[in-house]
Amino acid sequence: GNSVTQMEGPVTLSEEAFLTINCTYTATGYPSLFWYVQYPGEGLQLLLKATKADDKGSNKGFEATYRKETTSFHLEKGSVQVSDSAVYFCARNTGNQFYFGTGTSLTVIP
Amino acid sequence: DTGVSQDPRHKITKRGQNVTFRCDPISEHNRLYWYRQTLGQGPEFLTYFQNEAQLEKSRLLSDRFSAERPKGSFSTLEIQRTEQGDSAMYLCASSLERNNNSPLHFGNGTRLTVT
Repeated sequence: GNSVTQMEGPVTLSEEAFLTINCTYTATGYPSLFWYVQYPGEGLQLLLKATKADDKGSNKGFEATYRKETTSFHLEKGSVQVSDSAVYFCARNTGNQFYFGTGTSLTVIP
Repeated sequence: DTGVSQDPRHKITKRGQNVTFRCDPISEHNRLYWYRQTLGQGPEFLTYFQNEAQLEKSRLLSDRFSAERPKGSFSTLEIQRTEQGDSAMYLCASSLERNNNSPLHFGNGTRLTVT
């Protein structure tokens, strides 16, 4: 089948801690992979993307590498800030369809 | 680029009533998607349009739901005879189809509460 599985939350970290949110996918073909972020009261915003194996997407200090061999696209940030508190969604696209994970809530405390 | 806008932001209705939501995509985007999101879940695909043509509908979309995009610009999503299970956030997204790598751009959603 086609699905996205991401690490369950909620995740609570202290400011400047290292963040990893795991995401794995199943898909036929070669999907593009995305991370979206949803701040409280707002819509989903594209955070980063990767379109082929070994590509690394990066934005605002976040990174994720498309690992075809492990079908993963884990999100990382070296030093989180309070302003990173949000819900993060992993997503994949094959053809015209986008499939989203269930989201991981992150709270960063000062 | 004013982004994707959705109206209204919130809608409270009584069970059995009909509701209609509107989405205005980014102007040059030819693809428009509707998703539904419930608490603690990711967005679930409902339907999408390429220009004015509705190309795909999810099995989640019962016959009480109908979507239109008459001129290939804005879209409406109507729910007839609403049920309490329809309470959710309804998200609209658009993209410019150059290839299948184009990301979705989301609106802020319409939160529906059915009492």
